[in-house]
Amino acid sequence: RKEVEQDPGPFNVPEGATVAFNCTYSNSASQSFFWYRQDCRKEPKLLMSVYSSGNEDGRFTAQLNRASQYISLLIRDSKLSDSATYLCVVNSGSARQLTFGSGTQLTVLP
Amino acid sequence: DVKVTQSSRYLVKRTGEKVFLECVQDMDHENMFWYRQDPGLGLRLIYFSYDVKMKEKGDIPEGYSVSREKKERFSLILESASTNQTSMYLCASTRGQGSYEQYFGPGTRLTVT
Repeated sequence: RKEVEQDPGPFNVPEGATVAFNCTYSNSASQSFFWYRQDCRKEPKLLMSVYSSGNEDGRFTAQLNRASQYISLLIRDSKLSDSATYLCVVNSGSARQLTFGSGTQLTVLP
Repeated sequence: DVKVTQSSRYLVKRTGEKVFLECVQDMDHENMFWYRQDPGLGLRLIYFSYDVKMKEKGDIPEGYSVSREKKERFSLILESASTNQTSMYLCASTRGQGSYEQYFGPGTRLTVT
């Protein structure tokens, strides 16, 4: 079983739609969680951290469910510029290391 | 802004060649990482380093070695390149203990023929 699992998609949604991605992790001792965004042929960049209480950044909302070991990302009012691959990321073992999911591909259509 | 640079964007090498991939960060970060990224497999950690001359194996170190002689520079070495090492190689750095945000370089697309 992969340490971090994501639905690879692709998710094709119209502009203005709300879309949600889920991610599960296997290591119950994991402490820190993140969503990264990777544009086509570019490097990954941090989108947002995920806190136990849930957190929001504009149109983006991240949630953590420790009991079920899953993380979610909700994007409201999708924009064309949201088209990218979204990577679920969890710290693993050493506090300095991160484990990346394979990513979920999102395409927002006009 | 943190800047992480990699020596090449595209590289083509022959099987058996020794390959050096260089990574430099300009923000005095303590930790540096080398990943490879393949379709369907995501990013996989090859090696990382906490400090100068220190290195730790990641999940897939076989066939690779690293060197960190200066804090800002972390090199990945393929001792004898093979076709299954054709991949996108990404370098990243983080500030230090307690900091998880990884800053990535633009990547090197390596093709081994």
